[in-house]
Amino acid sequence: TQLLEQSPQFLSIQEGENLTVYCNSSSVFSSLQWYRQEPGEGPVLLVTVVTGGEVKKLKRLTFQFGDARKDSSLHITAAQPGDTGLYLCAGSNTGNQFYFGTGTSLTVIP
Amino acid sequence: EPEVTQTPSHQVTQMGQEVILRCVPISNHLYFYWYRQILGQKVEFLVSFYNNEISEKSEIFDDQFSVERPDGSNFTLKIRSTKLEDSAMYFCASTRDRIQYFGPGTRLLVL
Repeated sequence: TQLLEQSPQFLSIQEGENLTVYCNSSSVFSSLQWYRQEPGEGPVLLVTVVTGGEVKKLKRLTFQFGDARKDSSLHITAAQPGDTGLYLCAGSNTGNQFYFGTGTSLTVIP
Repeated sequence: EPEVTQTPSHQVTQMGQEVILRCVPISNHLYFYWYRQILGQKVEFLVSFYNNEISEKSEIFDDQFSVERPDGSNFTLKIRSTKLEDSAMYFCASTRDRIQYFGPGTRLLVL
C-alpha cells in the first residue's frame, strides 16, 4: 500500500486569506490528482498533474507536482466560503490503482 | 455532460444478507472501479475492472466481494454476507486517460 499523507488535516480560515495544502508520499507516482468532496457526495476531480515540477492553475487554485513526483501542493488564493470542502489527493502509477490521501477538511468563514 | 450514476442512493440491510450495488459508468470509459469510504475516513480502493475482468484488487476485497459487468452498461459490486463493518459509502468510478469520474455513491448501512 502506498501512503499519501495530507497536511493539515483540518484548516479553518477567514474569507480572503491564502492557504496551502500538502500531499506527501515516500513513493513515486506517474500522475497525481486533486479532488474536492462535499458531504454525502463523490469526489470531484479538480486537476491531474503528470510531470515532475508541473504547475497548473485553475482560477484561484494553483497545483504543483514535486520534481521527484512524490509530493504535491494545492494553494488557494483569497479563499471564499464556496471553497469549503474536503480536499483529497490521489496518486497513480502505470497501473490503474489510485491511492487516496488522508484528506484536508477546509472551512472558509465568511 | 455524461456522468457516472449509482443505485440505490441508500441501502439498509441486516448483517449476513447479500447486497448488490449498481453503477452505470460513462459509456466510452474503459476502466471501472469501486471504492469505499467509511464515515470520517479516507477513500479506500477496492477493485479495478478492465476488459471484463478484475485488473487489481486491494486486501479489503476478500471473498465476500465480487464484481460483474452483466451487460454493456451496468457494473455491479456484490457483498455476499454483509458485516457491520461494511457500513460505508461505496463509490463507483470510471476512467479514461487516467482521469477518474466518480458517481454520487451508495450509502450502505448494515444493522
